[in-house]
Amino acid sequence: DAGVTQSPTHLIKTRGQQVTLRCSPKSGHDTVSWYQQALGQGPQFIFQYYEEEERQRGNFPDRFSGHQYPNYSSELNVNALLLGDSALYLCASSLRLNSPLHFGNGTRLTVT
Amino acid sequence: GENVEQHPSTLSVQEGDSAVIKCTYSDSASNYFPWYKQELGKGPQLIIDIRSNVGEKKDQRIAVTLNKTAKHFSLHITETQPEDSAVYFCAALAYGQNFVFGPGTRLSVLP
Repeated sequence: DAGVTQSPTHLIKTRGQQVTLRCSPKSGHDTVSWYQQALGQGPQFIFQYYEEEERQRGNFPDRFSGHQYPNYSSELNVNALLLGDSALYLCASSLRLNSPLHFGNGTRLTVT
Repeated sequence: GENVEQHPSTLSVQEGDSAVIKCTYSDSASNYFPWYKQELGKGPQLIIDIRSNVGEKKDQRIAVTLNKTAKHFSLHITETQPEDSAVYFCAALAYGQNFVFGPGTRLSVLP
């Protein structure tokens, strides 16, 4: 039973560039949430997708956008990268909304 | 919105001793409280959770207690082992909202 998988595992980008991170949810899960985890901090909620729609959004600018596909996989896009966007980006899946989250191992994004 | 505080930020215990991590939350509507363990280079892993209609839950060496009146919940680890060393996060969820995580506790179990 495959858990949550994320790609790539590491990524280095330059300020101003754009990045796309990918996530495949745990088998049987239909909801995907994205979190940003800065070094030494807890995960901060970016947004949640269910039935291919953004259902909830945290306090992140419009530079952060996402998508969910019919197979429940999801993408996180960040435009006009800033140095402060450097963080571990975690994808979590769940069965429906308001259910326990299962996390992937994250994508480590470094912006130089 | 919900705010979750977590203490202590770091905790060192001798192998075999107990460890306790405490969290407080602000939103009385929160009704689900999971705990996650994050090892180096990995994502958070759910280790135990509790819902608001339960006061205590145990799973082998791990237990969680909830005091809804005081709005706090705690993680208890007994007979600690070196492999328990990790960062632990608490979280709170109110129906229709998103999970809010605490800032984490770095637990070190000294052999």
